Amino acid sequence: QVTLRESGPAVVKPTQTLTLTCTFSGFSLTTTGMRVSWIRQPPGRALEWLARIDWDDDKFYSPSLKTRLTISKDPSKNQVVLRMTYMDPLDTATYYCARMTSLGEFDPWGQGTLVTVSS
Amino acid sequence: DIQLTQSPSFLSASVGDRVTITCRASQGINSYLAWYQQKPGKAPKLLISAASILQSGVPSRFSGFGSGTEFTLTISSLQPEDFATYYCQQLNSYLYPFGQGTKLEIK
Repeated sequence: QVTLRESGPAVVKPTQTLTLTCTFSGFSLTTTGMRVSWIRQPPGRALEWLARIDWDDDKFYSPSLKTRLTISKDPSKNQVVLRMTYMDPLDTATYYCARMTSLGEFDPWGQGTLVTVSS
Repeated sequence: DIQLTQSPSFLSASVGDRVTITCRASQGINSYLAWYQQKPGKAPKLLISAASILQSGVPSRFSGFGSGTEFTLTISSLQPEDFATYYCQQLNSYLYPFGQGTKLEIK
């Protein structure tokens, strides 16, 4: 059974850097074709894809957030880490990680973690 | 960038109704479209991939259709557990855009 779980701070201050960890089980990011993405959802709003990391360490970012995002992986710990710099109140959202299928669907998703940006 | 537009944004229906949600892409995307269901406070759940492939465990009252620029998600007979928000998502672009969502409410 594949599961993912996000962890990180519930509150960050404006201009701070957010670090989120996705801890997964049931698959390995050393397996060819495996990928993990981060997606966020502001309260009451739609989903927005943020970043993706592949088994071969290829990385892809949303163009609108590219300069602020860094995604990395630690296969030995079954973890993917997302860093987002210069946090703003508009970044308040639930942040999800999800495994990606070969077609590009997100399945399954973690439960999500709500991050509030406030001073 | 390809945009996905869902209609309607809100839909009010009753148990037993047949409902259809539409997702239109600003450019052709073949059959590279997925549908998700999201209930309040929960993560999205993949229902349909490649426009029409029902995922394992998803009830057969859900169906997807379309290719190119127009896609539909149909629920043949609404059940109480189907009231949720539905999103479409493009697959064949690493930008993975989502539609804005369709909230299905009980009438």
